Amino acid sequence: GQNIDQPTEMTATEGAIVQINCTYQTSGFNGLFWYQQHAGEAPTFLSYNVLDGLEEKGRFSSFLSRSKGYSYLLLKELQMKDSASYLCAVRDHEGGATNKLIFGTGTLLAVQP
Amino acid sequence: ETGVTQTPRHLVMGMTNKKSLKCEQHLGHNAMYWYKQSAKKPLELMFVYNFKEQTENNSVPSRFSPECPNSSHLFLHLHTLQPEDSALYLCASSQDVQDSDLEKLFFGSGTQLSVL
Repeated sequence: GQNIDQPTEMTATEGAIVQINCTYQTSGFNGLFWYQQHAGEAPTFLSYNVLDGLEEKGRFSSFLSRSKGYSYLLLKELQMKDSASYLCAVRDHEGGATNKLIFGTGTLLAVQP
Repeated sequence: ETGVTQTPRHLVMGMTNKKSLKCEQHLGHNAMYWYKQSAKKPLELMFVYNFKEQTENNSVPSRFSPECPNSSHLFLHLHTLQPEDSALYLCASSQDVQDSDLEKLFFGSGTQLSVL
């Protein structure tokens, strides 16, 4: 089966660092994505990992361990505008030719002054 | 602006109504998707189209009927919906459905649907 777990909510302080974890179980893993979604807006692409290790993009970094079925999104120097929902999504080609993106429920991050 | 436009942004309909959601992408992508986003639930994939052909129907009830007349346009026709179908319906596109980071999705802002 397929399962993706991430915390429902997190709170952090402006200027601080926050780590959002995601664990997954799929049989046809083929990449992991992180998306950001502000309330009432479209999800937007943040990062993509297919190999183990850390991918850094400015204030945001994403880590993947395929053997542990684990990823995290690291946000540094938090800003108020980072308050949003962060969606972890795994690409899975179990049982078919089409690669499907399976999403977690998202982690609602609240950045406080 | 993600390059994917959805209309309408909000829709209220009765269970006996027929309505359609429209999605248009200006990115030259070959694949288009419908997702359903309900409160406290993960995004659920509904349909996938690749080069206008439907490649995925994720056990969606027949009261939802997709249409893809060309690679730039995608519709979701709604008929005799139930209150539990109330949700945010998101359209997305990607370069292709193949194996690469080019498959990252570009989402529209969604249609917030309320079924009374």
